[in-house]
Amino acid sequence: QVQLQESGPGLVKPSGTLSLTCAVSGGPIISSNWWSWVRQTPLKGLEWIGEIYHAGTTTYNPSLKSRVTISVDNSKNEFSLRLDSVTAADTAVYYCARWGPYFDHWGQGILVTVSS
Amino acid sequence: EIVLTQSPATLSLSPGERATLSCRASQNIGSYLAWYQQRPGQAPRLLILDASDRATGISPRFSGSGSGTDFTLTISRLEPDDFAVYYCQQRSDWPPYTFGQGTKLELK
Repeated sequence: QVQLQESGPGLVKPSGTLSLTCAVSGGPIISSNWWSWVRQTPLKGLEWIGEIYHAGTTTYNPSLKSRVTISVDNSKNEFSLRLDSVTAADTAVYYCARWGPYFDHWGQGILVTVSS
Repeated sequence: EIVLTQSPATLSLSPGERATLSCRASQNIGSYLAWYQQRPGQAPRLLILDASDRATGISPRFSGSGSGTDFTLTISRLEPDDFAVYYCQQRSDWPPYTFGQGTKLELK
């Protein structure tokens, strides 16, 4: 059974960079699946951030594209999210998820707060 | 961007009753719609894919229907664990994948 686990700082300063990693276990990241980041806020609900394939191909939400970078490390079986120039509006629970199609496996989520 | 509108926002029912949740897409998405359940403090869980196919391990009490712009999730004989928030999500036109705003199924 594939499992995903997010990790990273829970607090980021405004104008700083949010960096999270998703560790995948129970199956290889090198597969036919894509790997996504999704965030959730009380105001905007669930918002898809972007996805990556093990070969490094990425697709991003146009609304965040200018600030987002998703990368993959096949040797560690993990992928990462980088979000630049964060503001309070980026405060959210961030999930990593497998696209199989649809989001069939999710991490437990990590709350990231943007505050000074 | 495809907008998904869910109704009602809140549905109050009792155990044993039948729940009917709706999701309307802003344009034709064929059958490319999924439903998720999210319990408090947990990640969403995939219930239904491609409008009507149950995901692995999902109870037959959950069923999905619809195509084009109008979709329905039906939960028969509600059980205590079913009271949660339900989201629809489309994969017809991306980026981005989009979600509805959710329907909260609460205990009456």
